[in-house]
Amino acid sequence: AQRVTQPEKLLSVFKGAPVELKCNYSYSGSPELFWYVQYSRQRLQLLLRHISRESIKGFTADLNKGETSFHLKKPFAQEEDSAMYYCALSGSGNQFYFGTGTSLTVIP
Amino acid sequence: NAGVMQNPRHLVRRRGQEARLRCSPMKGHSHVYWYRQLPEEGLKFMVYLQKENIIDESGMPKERFSAEFPKEGPSILRIQQVVRGDSAAYFCASSPDPAGKSEQYFGPGTRLTVT
Repeated sequence: AQRVTQPEKLLSVFKGAPVELKCNYSYSGSPELFWYVQYSRQRLQLLLRHISRESIKGFTADLNKGETSFHLKKPFAQEEDSAMYYCALSGSGNQFYFGTGTSLTVIP
Repeated sequence: NAGVMQNPRHLVRRRGQEARLRCSPMKGHSHVYWYRQLPEEGLKFMVYLQKENIIDESGMPKERFSAEFPKEGPSILRIQQVVRGDSAAYFCASSPDPAGKSEQYFGPGTRLTVT
């Protein structure tokens, strides 16, 4: 069964501090992993996907197949990073699996 | 391009009534996905449709729920004889390609309340 786990429901960090949002997955194949973000009063939108290896808004995420993780990291958090973050997985089928989300608050 | 549109944004139904949720994908997108978000839970995949075809409905309850994406018009998620447990936010997403190959664009959601 495919599963995406985000162990932290809430995460608070101070502005300028590093931030890491955890995501673990279980999938018996080669998944594609994504991070989606929902800012206050906005729609869910793609932040980044592992296949593109991009850094978006200072965020990066590395797929670690050994640890089955896809943690989202940023070295210096900004207030505008406060949002709900969802890790998602797409496998060989048509389904798209989302985690339960982590609400990030960056304290000024 | 106005983005993915969903209506209504809020829907209140009494137990036993029918709920119809509409989703207009972005222009040029022929792939539509429906998700349900229950309180305190993440997004759960329900169904994936292409124009006039249901590709994967494995996430949809077997009874009372149905979905369609006709050649013309929006995609419809239909819930018959609603129960309190159907109260949730329902999100639609569209993409130009199947999931995993390109980004999904989400609508604002429809919040269904069953009284």
